[in-house]
Amino acid sequence: GAVVSQHPSRVICKSGTSVKIECRSLDFQATTMFWYRQFPKQSLMLMATSNEGSKATYEQGVEKDKFLINHASLTLSTLTVTSAHPEDSSFYICSARETSGRGGGATDTQYFGPGTRLTVL
Amino acid sequence: QQPVQSPQAVILREGEDAVINCSSSKALYSVHWYRQKHGEAPVFLMILLKGGEQKGHEKISASFNEKKQQSSLYLTASQLSYSGTYFCGTARGQGGKLIFGQGTELSVKP
Repeated sequence: GAVVSQHPSRVICKSGTSVKIECRSLDFQATTMFWYRQFPKQSLMLMATSNEGSKATYEQGVEKDKFLINHASLTLSTLTVTSAHPEDSSFYICSARETSGRGGGATDTQYFGPGTRLTVL
Repeated sequence: QQPVQSPQAVILREGEDAVINCSSSKALYSVHWYRQKHGEAPVFLMILLKGGEQKGHEKISASFNEKKQQSSLYLTASQLSYSGTYFCGTARGQGGKLIFGQGTELSVKP
């Protein structure tokens, strides 16, 4: 249990285009999901907290108009990188907070999706 | 504020033990440990809640000293599969966001 999927796994796009990344909790409901980005050999940097049915909460320094987050259901959150530029190239990872303990961890355990590698040319 | 992990990197021979530490300057509610292999997503290892608990999973265990705002991850009789980067994530409240340390790169050699 507690599986999170992410799609696509890799995407290459031209500068100026928008890219949508989906994050799904497959066997549990997640009222809260999180979006991270990770540069090579660096830590996971939290971008925003995605709450089902309400606006996302963005971390300081993250442009909410550039990184659009929608959490329309209890199993799906999407991140859209608008007008992508080469500096947006990174590994984007989502996580979903599991609150029932079914995944083996205590409540509040975050389970990560497999990540999306974005390359902007 | 980002927790501080130590050491930054460690190289082991199979069968050796290692300890990875995670320290915070703020009071913590929980500490979460993950292992990430290159190009993959982090995999959950364990979560420790305030109250000073210890947990174990086969040869990997962890402790959380709430007063010292520190957690340690213990890997005993290391296996090749233990190689990867270990991250601690700290939360200041229940259901709170996680802030991750900079990571500890662990390499286990045959």
